[in-house]
Amino acid sequence: DSGVTQTPKHLITATGQRVTLRCSPRSGDLSVYWYQQSLDQGLQFLIQYYNGEERAKGNILERFSAQQFPDLHSELNLSSLELGDSALYFCASSVGTSGTSQFFGPGTRLTVL
Amino acid sequence: KNQVEQSPQSLIILEGKNCTLQCNYTVSPFSNLRWYKQDTGRGPVSLTIMTFSENTKSNGRYTATLDADTKQSSLHITASQLSDSASYICVVSLNTGGFKTIFGAGTRLFVKA
Repeated sequence: DSGVTQTPKHLITATGQRVTLRCSPRSGDLSVYWYQQSLDQGLQFLIQYYNGEERAKGNILERFSAQQFPDLHSELNLSSLELGDSALYFCASSVGTSGTSQFFGPGTRLTVL
Repeated sequence: KNQVEQSPQSLIILEGKNCTLQCNYTVSPFSNLRWYKQDTGRGPVSLTIMTFSENTKSNGRYTATLDADTKQSSLHITASQLSDSASYICVVSLNTGGFKTIFGAGTRLFVKA
């Protein structure tokens, strides 16, 4: 158990809909990272937050947005969902901003029908 | 261009045998290199982390090596077990002060009885 929690574990929705994925970092970690992993693909970095502020941006679509709250939990919002958005979404956390020691959560499996 | 390439893409070995996975990178300035193990549908788990000055690091039956001159790393698995079946991901971080990390596509290892 990495100490990073993600909810829900599974999510099934329809195209055009909007969903919110939630992540709670390990105790003491200030950075949260979001990744997307499509079937049999590598991890794609989406976005990083540090202590409530956006810190780094990767290949995140404009339909996707994220935020980190004062209690350090983070949410990833996915809107106008398309079939191609079906994937595993991982959250990771680390103490600092460099991402050297990231701990990954168990992931949320999103299925868009 | 910063890249991390892993080989082979996939590998099948018999239980009890040893194997070596390769990672070549063209990342600069180099900060550290990590190997992760990812079971199917689960979050990646860190196996080893090496900085520029380290050329070998062990974690049980897993031994990682790093040659910073040739920009190559390998992960050697000794006496493989069925539970070693997973994807192994090489991740290289840049020394830029912030989060700049390049993920390899991974090697999928299958261990057969």
